[in-house]
Amino acid sequence: EAQVTQNPRYLITVTGKKLTVTCSQNMNHEYMSWYRQDPGLGLRQIYYSMNVEVTDKGDVPEGYKVSRKEKRNFPLILESPSPNQTSLYFCASSSRTSGGNEQFFGPGTRLTVL
Amino acid sequence: GESVGLHLPTLSVQEGDNSIINCAYSNSASDYFIWYKQESGKGPQFIIDIRSNMDKRQGQRVTVLLNKTVKHLSLQIAATQPGDSAVYFCAENPRPLKTSYDKVIFGPGTSLSVIP
Repeated sequence: EAQVTQNPRYLITVTGKKLTVTCSQNMNHEYMSWYRQDPGLGLRQIYYSMNVEVTDKGDVPEGYKVSRKEKRNFPLILESPSPNQTSLYFCASSSRTSGGNEQFFGPGTRLTVL
Repeated sequence: GESVGLHLPTLSVQEGDNSIINCAYSNSASDYFIWYKQESGKGPQFIIDIRSNMDKRQGQRVTVLLNKTVKHLSLQIAATQPGDSAVYFCAENPRPLKTSYDKVIFGPGTSLSVIP
């Protein structure tokens, strides 16, 4: 089954404790992206990657890091989480050959930083 | 700055009626727009897209209209069903689309409720 998976689905942590949210897709997509979703603000793009070893900042990259060492994986790293990073996070992927930007989203990761 | 916004945060419609969800965008250089549906507890799901060289595109029970003159996008859902209850987002690529996708900007979303 074609899908985007994220782990963990739920995470409660404390300020300053480094964490990684994993994202994996099995569709051989070149494009991957991370979003955060907050009430009233919709989805805001954190980082995106056009292909392996190619990443770029979205609209809200501060406090986040990403890496794209393999085509299928695009982990999101919070080196020192803060309470304002409490949010619902979505990973998405898309094929550059599709002619458009139909993104396939993962199920989401709900992060709480105390 | 660049932004995509929705006129109405909530919309309630009777089952069987048509629904219209609106979206305003600010970047006249954007040439690709997408509508997503997000059901409770799930990630957004692609519904339909449209390029700026078109003003209308139809799918199954959905139609997207693009008015570049006033930078307005709308999603029409025909014969709305209870399963259509969800939050709907419009999104744009603020750079001309060639072979790259670059940034994607989402609007804040409209919550559609279907009354049985």
